[in-house]
Amino acid sequence: EAGVAQSPRYKIIEKRQSVAFWCNPISGHATLYWYQQILGQGPKLLIQFQNNGVVDDSQLPKDRFSAERLKGVDSTLKIQPAKLEDSAVYLCASSVNIAKNIQYFGAGTRLSVL
Amino acid sequence: GENVEQHPSTLSVQEGDSAVIKCTYSDSASNYFPWYKQELGKGPQLIIDIRSNVGEKKDQRIAVTLNKTAKHFSLHITETQPEDSAVYFCAVTSRDNYGQNFVFGPGTRLSVLP
Repeated sequence: EAGVAQSPRYKIIEKRQSVAFWCNPISGHATLYWYQQILGQGPKLLIQFQNNGVVDDSQLPKDRFSAERLKGVDSTLKIQPAKLEDSAVYLCASSVNIAKNIQYFGAGTRLSVL
Repeated sequence: GENVEQHPSTLSVQEGDSAVIKCTYSDSASNYFPWYKQELGKGPQLIIDIRSNVGEKKDQRIAVTLNKTAKHFSLHITETQPEDSAVYFCAVTSRDNYGQNFVFGPGTRLSVLP
């Protein structure tokens, strides 16, 4: 069974530039999560989708971050414009559905904002 | 909101010894408690989990114990091996109006010395 795929693995940008991350969850998983993991900290949930609908985006900085999952499968997370403090690993995870809590994580995208 | 603490932040043990990591939480409504292992450059991987209606769960060398009254749960690794060296995160989740609220602890870096 293929795992959660994320791309790119690494991205270096300058502050005020835009960046987008892509995630392909495990086939058949209805729930998709985006996390931000700052170096030395635990992952912090940014947004949670159930199929193509947003379940929880209460911790997403909506002035600069956006995410979509238009067809209920792949998802993209965008930052525009980026700030230095956005440097982190962005992790995508998926689970069968909201009731099935077990999350499977991708390897993440490491973002460096210079 | 939920507050999750994890102790110790770093732990070094000799190969073959046991390791114990403790996690405390604040929300008494929390009902699912997973432990994740994260190796360098990889996403977190679920190693064991426990639900609120169970006090202990074991899987080979790994066990988790839950004390709901005291609001803490612990990861126990016996007969540690060098490949157990990684960062371990506890997580806590509970349902709220948004669906599920996953909160991760700050992590414990475990080093198993040969």
